[in-house]
Amino acid sequence: RKEVEQDPGPFNVPEGATVAFNCTYSNSASQSFFWYRQDCRKEPKLLMSVYSSGNEDGRFTAQLNRASQYISLLIRDSKLSDSATYLCVVNKGTNAGKSTFGDGTTLTVKP
Amino acid sequence: SQTIHQWPATLVQPVGSPLSLECTVEGTSNPNLYWYRQAAGRGLQLLFYSIGIDQISSEVPQNLSASRPQDRQFILSSKKLLLSDSGFYLCAWAPTGANEKLFFGSGTQLSVL
Repeated sequence: RKEVEQDPGPFNVPEGATVAFNCTYSNSASQSFFWYRQDCRKEPKLLMSVYSSGNEDGRFTAQLNRASQYISLLIRDSKLSDSATYLCVVNKGTNAGKSTFGDGTTLTVKP
Repeated sequence: SQTIHQWPATLVQPVGSPLSLECTVEGTSNPNLYWYRQAAGRGLQLLFYSIGIDQISSEVPQNLSASRPQDRQFILSSKKLLLSDSGFYLCAWAPTGANEKLFFGSGTQLSVL
């Protein structure tokens, strides 16, 4: 079993739709969690951190469920520009080299 | 503000040739530095990380090596490339001890033929 698992998709949604991605992790000692966005043939960029209390940034909401060991990303009112691959990242500590990336979920928003 | 530079953007190399990819960071001191590789349609695999000059940790046995001759310079090398070394190589930096929020360079697409 992979340390971090994501549904690869692809998710094909119309503009304006709400879409949710889930990510599960196997190491219960994991300490910090992130979502990154990666456009085709580009570098990943940090989208948002994920906290137990949940956090929101505009149309994006991230949630962490430690008991069930999953994190989620909700995108409301999808835009064409949201089309990308979303990477879930789980970190086992504050020391270097402790981050594990999921394989990513691909989203295509269509007009 | 901090910036990270990685070059070249694309590289086509024959099997058996050497490799040198360079990455530099500006606007910060003593960053943690990383080399990742990404196969097509897959997540990122950590190859090397460094917490300081000449301090390199390797995550997977491989045909590659890394060096950090200066605080903000990280180099990925190989003496003889293999076909399996093809991929998208990404350099990244993170502030020390900050839950490893990673900031990536623009990547190098390496094709070994």
